[in-house]
Amino acid sequence: GAVVSQHPSRVICKSGTSVKIECRSLDFQATTMFWYRQFPKQSLMLMATSNEGSKATYEQGVEKDKFLINHASLTLSTLTVTSAHPEDSSFYICSARTGVVEGYTFGSGTRLTVV
Amino acid sequence: KNEVEQSPQNLTAQEGEFITINCSYSVGISALHWLQQHPGGGIVSLFMLSSGKKKHGRLIATINIQEKHSSLHITASHPRDSAVYICAVRPYGGSQGNLIFGKGTKLSVKP
Repeated sequence: GAVVSQHPSRVICKSGTSVKIECRSLDFQATTMFWYRQFPKQSLMLMATSNEGSKATYEQGVEKDKFLINHASLTLSTLTVTSAHPEDSSFYICSARTGVVEGYTFGSGTRLTVV
Repeated sequence: KNEVEQSPQNLTAQEGEFITINCSYSVGISALHWLQQHPGGGIVSLFMLSSGKKKHGRLIATINIQEKHSSLHITASHPRDSAVYICAVRPYGGSQGNLIFGKGTKLSVKP
């Protein structure tokens, strides 16, 4: 079946640095990738929708200059957390629509800890 | 009030038991999803429903659109079923990825 590979699975970084998270669709082309964030004991929340070859669409309250999204190819979308702060520590996960009607395939997630 | 409510929040069962997890939502939807989140965080999509009932192995998902309610059943539960089960809905007119997620039900199946 369709697989979305997400890396890294865990990352610890210092405040003020930037972290890049990658999501690759394997064996299928993902024209659209969705990025979610999950704080402890909270629901997943959509951050942005990444479209291949165009600008990402950000949800209300998500800073586009802080969370840079690039979707330069049909198989790769990246999320860069710039100038990370401890409050950015969270679980980030991507997903893509697959060929199954309205189905989604999720990446394995990235647990970001900013110290 | 959350737009997607799940019950129970936590569930402990003995191996072999029949398990039911419930999801109620308050918005009109075009689809409802059941997801499984493993302890490491990875998420697997189990079902997508817009009506009726679906079955996959020991898992059964049902939805009642009129009552805005869905259930996920696990028959003959096994310790490997231990995970967080998340209900998510796609509202009418919403963008593809704009799912509204429940907070999840943490299931522990004891041997």
